[in-house]
Amino acid sequence: DAKTTQPPSMDCAEGRAANLPCNHSTISGNEYVYWYRQIHSQGPQYIIHGLKNNETNEMASLIITEDRKSSTLILPHATLRDTAVYYCIVTFNAGGTSYGKLTFGQGTILTVHP
Amino acid sequence: KAGVTQTPRYLIKTRGQQVTLSCSPISGHRSVSWYQQTPGQGLQFLFEYFSETQRNKGNFPGRFSGRQFSNSRSEMNVSTLELGDSALYLCASSAWDSNEQFFGPGTRLTVL
Repeated sequence: DAKTTQPPSMDCAEGRAANLPCNHSTISGNEYVYWYRQIHSQGPQYIIHGLKNNETNEMASLIITEDRKSSTLILPHATLRDTAVYYCIVTFNAGGTSYGKLTFGQGTILTVHP
Repeated sequence: KAGVTQTPRYLIKTRGQQVTLSCSPISGHRSVSWYQQTPGQGLQFLFEYFSETQRNKGNFPGRFSGRQFSNSRSEMNVSTLELGDSALYLCASSAWDSNEQFFGPGTRLTVL
């Protein structure tokens, strides 16, 4: 799986958009970008994933650059409950050494302030 | 749908003992993955089971083992416990060949 680089921490004001960057310059053509988050003392929670097109769901938007070497997770209106560690993971969707395996880095600690 | 459940939630053992943790996946999910989370090493993949077969394995010693039953429920076992095995053990389930994984709340294991 390709390596990812994320800032160790970020702050955001409540109600504002939180933009979390991720670099994955060695991503291969059929690797996906996945985002998970982990709120303190809970199991990680899936947020969104994408291959090359921008994606949006009820939780967030994922913007992937055209060269696919970086991406940004956008939480449009951050709340205090969005305070968590956010993990950007690059992996094949299935098959071979990717079966069921997510490789978590250190992630970004997002703190949302009132 | 009920989420992923793990039992027990908390466990205290002493060095040298063995422990079995249980995971019930979301109904219909056939893939179950296990992870260990420690402050020092973060979240690390242990193994994955699908239809009672281990398809993938992380870099953990043979003391860590698992199995999956025909109803997709899974167990992991750690034998000859060491102090360093103290961790949060998480299981996650997913539908057919997807890395959209749904995690349980974890089992907090403390080895004394």
